[in-house]
Amino acid sequence: DTEVTQTPKHLVMGMTNKKSLKCEQHMGHRAMYWYKQKAKKPPELMFVYSYEKLSINESVPSRFSPECPNSSLLNLHLHALQPEDSALYLCASSQPGSLTDTQYFGPGTRLTVL
Amino acid sequence: DAKTTQPPSMDCAEGRAANLPCNHSTISGNEYVYWYRQIHSQGPQYIIHGLKNNETNEMASLIITEDRKSSTLILPHATLRDTAVYYCIVRVHNDYKLSFGAGTTVTVRA
Repeated sequence: DTEVTQTPKHLVMGMTNKKSLKCEQHMGHRAMYWYKQKAKKPPELMFVYSYEKLSINESVPSRFSPECPNSSLLNLHLHALQPEDSALYLCASSQPGSLTDTQYFGPGTRLTVL
Repeated sequence: DAKTTQPPSMDCAEGRAANLPCNHSTISGNEYVYWYRQIHSQGPQYIIHGLKNNETNEMASLIITEDRKSSTLILPHATLRDTAVYYCIVRVHNDYKLSFGAGTTVTVRA
């Protein structure tokens, strides 16, 4: 099973709402990632968790709060977002130290902030 | 700080080979060349990677020049389902960061 699942597929929220994006993988991977992709642009790395510890934060605003409750799950908590935060949010996973070092991506959550 | 240069777009005919070029003239000795693709409205998908030898798998072949300053991804028999944005990325093996450039939008036409 090489699948990364993400819920919800679509999310519309107001600027005062609090919502969460969820990501799950059952490949036994110990690194998980959040990327943000604006329309017609390439994905940009936001956060990396390695062995359930935050190892990279690419200077992401604090209104985005990641959480890794266990090795299979990754959440992204959203609060007080701005319309410019509307984007496709992609989750990925990989196995550190593996031969191919492949990142497997989920289908993404398309977020619209009103 | 793009490390790779790719043409913005290219067309190819269904059933023919698609050759996608990538320049990476500043590649370091410990950096690999990775290719991913992103079909519309899906997450990126790993295709292949290599260090200096040519590589082949069930999806594609990767040809890296001897000086490692450029490479070509070959899709041997393009199908309509290969229409996607193709990203060439150079990175140190097992570096968590995967820095996507603008990529090449490949359109396969019947």
